[in-house]
Amino acid sequence: DIQMTQSPSTLSASVGDRVTITCRASQRISVWLAWYQQKPGNAPNLLIYKASSLESGVPSRFSGSGSGTEFTLTISSLQPDDFATYYCQQYNTYPLTFGGGTKVEI
Amino acid sequence: QLQLQESGPGLLKPSETLSLTCTVSGGSVSSGGFYWDWIRQPPVKGLEWIGSISYSGSTYYNPSLKSRVTISVDTSTNHFSLKLNSVTAADTAVYYCARRRGRDYYYYMDVWGKGTTVTVSS
Repeated sequence: DIQMTQSPSTLSASVGDRVTITCRASQRISVWLAWYQQKPGNAPNLLIYKASSLESGVPSRFSGSGSGTEFTLTISSLQPDDFATYYCQQYNTYPLTFGGGTKVEI
Repeated sequence: QLQLQESGPGLLKPSETLSLTCTVSGGSVSSGGFYWDWIRQPPVKGLEWIGSISYSGSTYYNPSLKSRVTISVDTSTNHFSLKLNSVTAADTAVYYCARRRGRDYYYYMDVWGKGTTVTVSS
C-alpha cells in the first residue's frame, strides 16, 4: 500500500494567515492526488484534484502543488470558515489511501 | 445535482453482517465513466477506503477488508450496497458512500453522502 504522511498533524493559525500543509507519498504517484476539507459532523468535501486543479465552486484562496512524492495545500489567507481538518488522498494505485489529516485550529 | 444517501442499521452485534445501501438521486449508477465507493471513518480517526464498483460491475477492494467485503450495484433501483461480514468493535465507524469521477485510470471522489454511523456492540 502507498502510505500518505501529512504534516503537521495540527496547525494553529489566525484569520488572514497563509497556511501550508504538506503531504508525502511513500511511492511516486505522479499528480494523482486530491485534497479534502472535513468539518466536524460532515462528510469530506473535495477541494483539489490532480494535485493542483481547483474543484468548481472552491474559493481561489485554496491552491495545490507538487508531483511525485511531495505535495502541498496552501490557503493564501485563512478565513473563519477554513478552520477544519484537511486530508490528502492518492488515487494512483489501489488500495486508495488517505493521509492522517491536518487539523487547522485557532 | 447528484446526491447520495446512506441507509442501514445503526447498531450491530459482533459476528453479524453489516449491510448498507447508498441511494443515488440526480444521476444514474449506470452512467458510464464513474465509480461508486465506500469509505469509513472510525471515531476520532482518519479515513479508510473500503472498496469500489464501476458502472459495469467491476469491483476493487481494500486488501485489509477483502475477505469480508462485497459491494454490488442495482441499476433497477439506482443504488449500490456494501456488505461486511463478521463485524467486530473495530468496524464501528461512520460509513460514507461516494462517487468517483476522472478519466483513464485515475478517479477521485467528488460527491459524498452525509454518512451513517454504525456501532458494533454486544
